[in-house]
Amino acid sequence: GQQLNQSPQSMFIQEGEDVSMNCTSSSIFNTWLWYKQDPGEGPVLLIALYKAGELTSNGRLTAQFGITRKDSFLNISASIPSDVGIYFCAGQLIGGNYQLIWGAGTKLIIKP
Amino acid sequence: KAGVTQTPRYLIKTRGQQVTLSCSPISGHRSVSWYQQTPGQGLQFLFEYFSETQRNKGNFPGRFSGRQFSNSRSEMNVSTLELGDSALYLCASSFAQGNTGELFFGEGSRLTVL
Repeated sequence: GQQLNQSPQSMFIQEGEDVSMNCTSSSIFNTWLWYKQDPGEGPVLLIALYKAGELTSNGRLTAQFGITRKDSFLNISASIPSDVGIYFCAGQLIGGNYQLIWGAGTKLIIKP
Repeated sequence: KAGVTQTPRYLIKTRGQQVTLSCSPISGHRSVSWYQQTPGQGLQFLFEYFSETQRNKGNFPGRFSGRQFSNSRSEMNVSTLELGDSALYLCASSFAQGNTGELFFGEGSRLTVL
């Protein structure tokens, strides 16, 4: 089936560092979404992107819908301990049946 | 506004048994999707229901089934359980099918198969 390549798989960062992760595909998407899953919880939507080139912020989080429609990135500035968790990208294919295609997740870990 | 409620939260079964998981969506949401999450495998789509009809289905064997009731509540069933079915099963609701891709997830039902 369709795949989203999400990287990195995991990140070890120091508190206060900026974080960057991305998702790429060979297919074209009309929607990109970024979710975060805290331990023991279900994923929660962070940012939704609906137009190529769109750049959207949510507090310290910024995400962009790639101009080719085949990729998206998420940046977190000045990371804090509560940023720990798994971040998932998801997209809806152009001409698809609205089903979301999911990345495998990026696990964010704060180094002690 | 109450969130998505999944029951039970935890359960342990043995191989060969069957299990039924329940999901109550956010009030007013008519679409319910189910996902399987295992470590390292991300979220694997099982199926989506809208107005009591299965609209999309993932690549899972027929042992995995589901249904949706007229009040939008949904159940999924796994028959003849295998060890590999141990996972977190997540339910997500949205106002309409597909919609904008914005899903609201429950906390999940963690199934352990011994």
